[in-house]
Amino acid sequence: RKEVEQDPGPFNVPEGATVAFNCTYSNSASQSFFWYRQDCRKEPKLLMSVYSSGNEDGRFTAQLNRASQYISLLIRDSKLSDSATYLCVGGSSNTGKLIFGQGTTLQVKP
Amino acid sequence: NAGVTQTPKFRILKIGQSMTLQCTQDMNHNYMYWYRQDPGMGLKLIYYSVGAGITDKGEVPNGYNVSRSTTEDFPLRLELAAPSQTSVYFCASSSRDYLNEQFFGPGTRLTVL
Repeated sequence: RKEVEQDPGPFNVPEGATVAFNCTYSNSASQSFFWYRQDCRKEPKLLMSVYSSGNEDGRFTAQLNRASQYISLLIRDSKLSDSATYLCVGGSSNTGKLIFGQGTTLQVKP
Repeated sequence: NAGVTQTPKFRILKIGQSMTLQCTQDMNHNYMYWYRQDPGMGLKLIYYSVGAGITDKGEVPNGYNVSRSTTEDFPLRLELAAPSQTSVYFCASSSRDYLNEQFFGPGTRLTVL
């Protein structure tokens, strides 16, 4: 089983739609979680950190469920510019590194 | 403030050749990392460094070497290139440990034929 697992998609949604991605992790000791965004053939960039209490940044909401070991990303009112690959990332002090999921591709259509 | 820069952007190597991928950051970050990303896959950590003079292996270090003589520079050396090393290589840095935001360079696309 992969340490961080995502549905690769692609998710094809119309503009204005709400879309949600889930990501599961296998290391129960994982402490920190992030969502990174990666545009085609570009470097990953931090979208948002994920906190235990859940957090929101504009149209984006991230949540963490430690009991079920998954994190989620909700995007409301999708824009064409949201089209990208979203990388789920987890890290723990006992492994000493971040583990990146393979990414979920989102394509927002006009 | 250029952030993290990498050279070259693209490179084609023949099997058995060697090369060095350059990485420089101007944010005075102590932590630096090298990842590789194969098509449709997540990033895998090759090597990392927690400060000048200190380096350690990541998940996939075989076939690579690094050095960290200054805070700014973290070059990655490929010895005896193999087709399995065809990938996109990203360098990243962070101000504190790996559990904090990492800033990535634009990547080097390497093909080994």
